[in-house]
Amino acid sequence: DAGVIQSPRHEVTEMGQEVTLRCKPISGHNSLFWYRQTMMRGLELLIYFNNNVPIDDSGMPEDRFSAKMPNASFSTLKIQPSEPRDSAVYFCASSSRLGARSEAFFGQGTRLTVV
Amino acid sequence: TQLLEQSPQFLSIQEGENLTVYCNSSSVFSSLQWYRQEPGEGPVLLVTVVTGGEVKKLKRLTFQFGDARKDSSLHITAAQPGDTGLYLCAGAGRGSTLGRLYFGRGTQLTVWP
Repeated sequence: DAGVIQSPRHEVTEMGQEVTLRCKPISGHNSLFWYRQTMMRGLELLIYFNNNVPIDDSGMPEDRFSAKMPNASFSTLKIQPSEPRDSAVYFCASSSRLGARSEAFFGQGTRLTVV
Repeated sequence: TQLLEQSPQFLSIQEGENLTVYCNSSSVFSSLQWYRQEPGEGPVLLVTVVTGGEVKKLKRLTFQFGDARKDSSLHITAAQPGDTGLYLCAGAGRGSTLGRLYFGRGTQLTVWP
């Protein structure tokens, strides 16, 4: 099992540019989560999907952020336009179920730097 | 506002010492999970505790869930350099927040040889 696969691993972009982060969850997992990690705020949940449907997007910071899950094996997180304060490590995680005993499997993350 | 508070934020100890890190909240969770994260990697699940008062052991690591299901502790016996990492606790939501994991900011542990 290849685990959760994220791309790219690193992204450096200029302020105002569009950034697209990609995630392939573990096959068979029906829940997918996007997190952002910074030193100041720790790990924050941005949005999560269940069976490709967005369930809770209350953590998305503002309209510049959008996420899609067109099928069970692919999701994207887009930032347009990007700003320096968006610099962080973005993680995608997947889970086989929701509930008390659900385990989240994380990808290696995308380190985003907006200059 | 952080739902889960972890302490201490940083811990630097010598190999062989014992340590305890704490995870506290005023909220009740359906379960409490502990993850460990190494540099350049995503968090990896260590354990899930579900029942109030539950104690789980994983080799030299002992995890406890508070009776009221609001807090947890992680105790490491005879720490080793390989235990170095960021330890994160996460509370699993209930009811309308089912599916959400609320993470603390973590305890950065460094074990020196």
